[in-house]
Amino acid sequence: DTEVTQTPKHLVMGMTNKKSLKCEQHMGHRAMYWYKQKAKKPPELMFVYSYEKLSINESVPSRFSPECPNSSLLNLHLHALQPEDSALYLCASSQGTSGSTDTQYFGPGTRLTVL
Amino acid sequence: GDSVTQMEGPVTLSEEAFLTINCTYTATGYPSLFWYVQYPGEGLQLLLKATKADDKGSNKGFEATYRKETTSFHLEKGSVQVSDSAVYFCALSSGGYQKVTFGTGTKLQVIP
Repeated sequence: DTEVTQTPKHLVMGMTNKKSLKCEQHMGHRAMYWYKQKAKKPPELMFVYSYEKLSINESVPSRFSPECPNSSLLNLHLHALQPEDSALYLCASSQGTSGSTDTQYFGPGTRLTVL
Repeated sequence: GDSVTQMEGPVTLSEEAFLTINCTYTATGYPSLFWYVQYPGEGLQLLLKATKADDKGSNKGFEATYRKETTSFHLEKGSVQVSDSAVYFCALSSGGYQKVTFGTGTKLQVIP
């Protein structure tokens, strides 16, 4: 089973709202990732958690706040977003082993629209 | 730094035609290479991978061979179906597991 689940599938929010995206995997993976994907572009890495600790933050604005409550769950808290933050947000996970052979498995994404 | 170059799309083929999507890369060390597929409105699915030179990844009739001498990982399928219509991303991982470098994606449209 290589399933990563994400909720919600779609989200519409205003610029003053606070919302959260959720991601879950039960593959025993120890690395989890958030990506942002704009239309007709490849995914852009936002954050990486390794063994439940934040290991990479790709200079993401503070209106995006990640959280990893345990090894199976990853959240992305959203606050005071801008319309240009509208995109598909993808979660991924991998075993977290060192070296280049680690393989990332992606969820179906959350389509976010900021009004 | 690492980079992946894919052929420009869109690629439009008739059903049962032969498919090739070119991918070349630049990387330090010994990268692993991947093809991901993204169907409309969905996330990325791992299609196939190869972790060392001369390895051939294959899945669902798609194949790609890791060619170190030409730094390439071209995707091929002998007979495409309408259901193969999607965007295909070539990607690599090198020097550690946490960063994957993606190509720009190639949109494939298969017409009946």
